[in-house]
Amino acid sequence: KQEVTQIPAALSVPEGENLVLNCSFTDSAIYNLQWFRQDPGKGLTSLLLIQSSQREQTSGRLNASLDKSSGRSTLYIAASQPGDSATYLCAGVTGKLIFGQGTTLQVKP
Amino acid sequence: GAVVSQHPSWVICKSGTSVKIECRSLDFQATTMFWYRQFPKQSLMLMATSNEGSKATYEQGVEKDKFLINHASLTLSTLTVTSAHPEDSSFYICSAGREGGYTFGSGTRLTVV
Repeated sequence: KQEVTQIPAALSVPEGENLVLNCSFTDSAIYNLQWFRQDPGKGLTSLLLIQSSQREQTSGRLNASLDKSSGRSTLYIAASQPGDSATYLCAGVTGKLIFGQGTTLQVKP
Repeated sequence: GAVVSQHPSWVICKSGTSVKIECRSLDFQATTMFWYRQFPKQSLMLMATSNEGSKATYEQGVEKDKFLINHASLTLSTLTVTSAHPEDSSFYICSAGREGGYTFGSGTRLTVV
């Protein structure tokens, strides 16, 4: 069974804190890993795509890593801001996307 | 970057009527598009894979006669919810994949009254 798990389900931090969101997957058929952001009632915004040949990707304050051997990916957010408050979804790519349940992040001013 | 346009963003319809949702790739051709459904506070559930020029592939448990998918061109896929009922009320999102990852539409909030 293809499964993607995200921990924690919810996270509340004060502004300025660095934080790590975790994603694990059990399906070895997953070859890429993509992180998305979803604001309430909105669609998904792609943050980072890590291809199987890569170990990490960076975009601004975001850094995502991928370890296929252990079936884990992390999304690191540096110097968090209230505008980062959203639900973060990771998805394994097997020709289609297999989503985790998401981590809802609240950054308090 | 790749843009997927989805319309309408929200729709309210009466029980028993049909609703069509459009998903367009604006700056690239998409031979494959995906349709997802999302319930409140839950993750996305893949409903079906839309293939240009051929029949859609539905996930287990998704009624193909209720959720009609048409992918007549490389830039347009449509999802029609037929004979909608209140339990079909949900957030529907389309997606297309290309080099650089998957891009999503802005979603359609369907409310059946």
